Amino acid sequence: DTGVSQNPRHKITKRGQNVTFRCDPISEHNRLYWYRQTLGQGPEFLTYFQNEAQLEKSRLLSDRFSAERPKGSFSTLEIQRTEQGDSAMYLCASTGGTWANVLTFGAGSRLTVL
Amino acid sequence: AQTVTQSQPEMSVQEAETVTLSCTYDTSESDYYLFWYKQPPSRQMILVIRQEAYKQQNATENRFSVNFQKAAKSFSLKISDSQLGDAAMYFCAYRISYGVNSGYALNFGKGTSLLVTP
Repeated sequence: DTGVSQNPRHKITKRGQNVTFRCDPISEHNRLYWYRQTLGQGPEFLTYFQNEAQLEKSRLLSDRFSAERPKGSFSTLEIQRTEQGDSAMYLCASTGGTWANVLTFGAGSRLTVL
Repeated sequence: AQTVTQSQPEMSVQEAETVTLSCTYDTSESDYYLFWYKQPPSRQMILVIRQEAYKQQNATENRFSVNFQKAAKSFSLKISDSQLGDAAMYFCAYRISYGVNSGYALNFGKGTSLLVTP
């Protein structure tokens, strides 16, 4: 297992376009999280999945954002009609099993909205 | 909401010296977990150390140790024998130990940038 994988690593888009990020968690991890990190800030929680169920969404997750985790494996985070304020690093993390208390993070997907 | 405050935006330490990064948090919970994560430039966040609130003994991981003061809601990180590879952003994070829908999500502080000089 190579850890949490995120793609693409960097996405540049024009305002108004839609973008989608993918996260492949560690295979045995049943919990998956999305965070957003802007420059100079700590990660901010966006949403959480336990298996395929999306159990919690932050108020930061506006209706332009949607996340899925079909079959409880990989997850996607889609941002519709992107705005410049969406420019950030989007981090995925997973946990489960013996180390359920510890999140393992991916390297992140950086979004730049022009 | 549980808030995490890191009052030092930047810290500097010389190689081989010791540095302490500060973190305070606000919570009404009695049982929770605290973490320090490290984020090197352009690299992923990795766990440095964790502390369960019910444990009185301070956690230690090699050169990294914490000073956990539950009554004061303080959770500082001490790095001994600092190395060049310790240079990174360090984030303090809080997590409640249980919750039906909370999913154990972490609340992070804004981070402290640690510079290690030769």
